[in-house]
Amino acid sequence: ETGVTQTPRHLVMGMTNKKSLKCEQHLGHNAMYWYKQSAKKPLELMFVYSLEERVENNSVPSRFSPECPNSSHLFLHLHTLQPEDSALYLCASSLYRDTGELFFGEGSRLTVL
Amino acid sequence: EDQVTQSPEALRLQEGESSSLNCSYTVSGLRGLFWYRQDPGKGPEFLFTLYSAGEEKEKERLKATLTKKESFLHITAPKPEDSATYLCAVQAVWSNDYKLSFGAGTTVTVRA
Repeated sequence: ETGVTQTPRHLVMGMTNKKSLKCEQHLGHNAMYWYKQSAKKPLELMFVYSLEERVENNSVPSRFSPECPNSSHLFLHLHTLQPEDSALYLCASSLYRDTGELFFGEGSRLTVL
Repeated sequence: EDQVTQSPEALRLQEGESSSLNCSYTVSGLRGLFWYRQDPGKGPEFLFTLYSAGEEKEKERLKATLTKKESFLHITAPKPEDSATYLCAVQAVWSNDYKLSFGAGTTVTVRA
């Protein structure tokens, strides 16, 4: 398996649920990212990990909690979300943090009821 | 703060009808400008990096150009398979976090 793989592709959850999004990259990259994509809005950077260390947290609400256990895996833990959190969540990786050439997964479409 | 504005928001083309997409940017020193293509239900796919004014990159029917204030993505004789949303992003030289600032994208529809 190659590239960046995200699971699940679709997720529906209530506001009181706890769920997690998973991302795996098989490219040997050192940096991994979580982005949020809402309709007709620019991609919003949420978190950046470089060599498994978190280096960016763009003022993301604490109901989103990232985890990077190793350089190939990234998780986004979700709890007590709001309906406005419904969006496409994209994972990406890059060889190093300073490159703008990102490799994206296909995304996890999240719907919060 | 870095700003990226893409126009038009949507573009409908007939097959073979060439056109251009615009990406205007404001950044405190450009480290790089990046073009991505995103198909419906998929993540963005990297297309080009441009570093300095006057630079051009080509890939099949796509050609990206760069000036000090904007970039253009020219689509020559498009085919239906060129239908997608095209995203532009910039990275600033003086940013110590190497963050990409994205535009909202231009959605291109090519009719056969």
